[in-house]
Amino acid sequence: QQQVRQSPQSLTVWEGETAILNCSYEDSTFNYFPWYQQFPGEGPALLISIRSVSDKKEDGRFTIFFNKREKKLSLHITDSQPGDSATYFCAASGGGGTGNTGKLIFGLGTTLQVQP
Amino acid sequence: GPKVLQIPSHQIIDMGQMVTLNCDPVSNHLYFYWYKQILGQQMEFLVNFYNGKVMEKSKLFKDQFSVERPDGSYFTLKIQPTALEDSAVYFCASSPDWGDDTQYFGPGTRLLVL
Repeated sequence: QQQVRQSPQSLTVWEGETAILNCSYEDSTFNYFPWYQQFPGEGPALLISIRSVSDKKEDGRFTIFFNKREKKLSLHITDSQPGDSATYFCAASGGGGTGNTGKLIFGLGTTLQVQP
Repeated sequence: GPKVLQIPSHQIIDMGQMVTLNCDPVSNHLYFYWYKQILGQQMEFLVNFYNGKVMEKSKLFKDQFSVERPDGSYFTLKIQPTALEDSAVYFCASSPDWGDDTQYFGPGTRLLVL
């Protein structure tokens, strides 16, 4: 059973448009949700993250919207650029602290293609 | 940003042989992780390590797997003996502190078991 689901599997947008990547999760104890960006042949790089106490996190062109009740979150990439073309992974964790070891549960990823 | 290095980048070995994957984590980080990614599948947690001990391991972390970080050197994942299904990309990650969940990933080691 997949604990973290992502949709769509792939997405193509035009340069300048907003790309919306979706993520949902099963475990209500998850409280930390990082998004990683991965280019072919490279390791995942942390892009932006949010904790479950917040409903929105913004960093430049990247914004996470978080709905704890529905166990859903989304990553919005505004003014998409061809250099944003990559695979984006949503991950979840119970976080550090007593009883948690920080392991990340990953989704399958969304492959984004930004057309110039 | 902080860099995690992995050596080698690629490794091809025959089934049954031993392999050691090396990770050079960020210098002041205390928590270390290995993840496994098979092409087309999600990245899966294998094990995490702190203060010389395994904290948690998944069902993918078979008896043939072991990890160590002797004297603050490389954080290593050893597989002995290897099996065909061990072919994957193995990513090392490190994080600084118990209260900081940020994990920094290396570029991965692509392991092919023949």
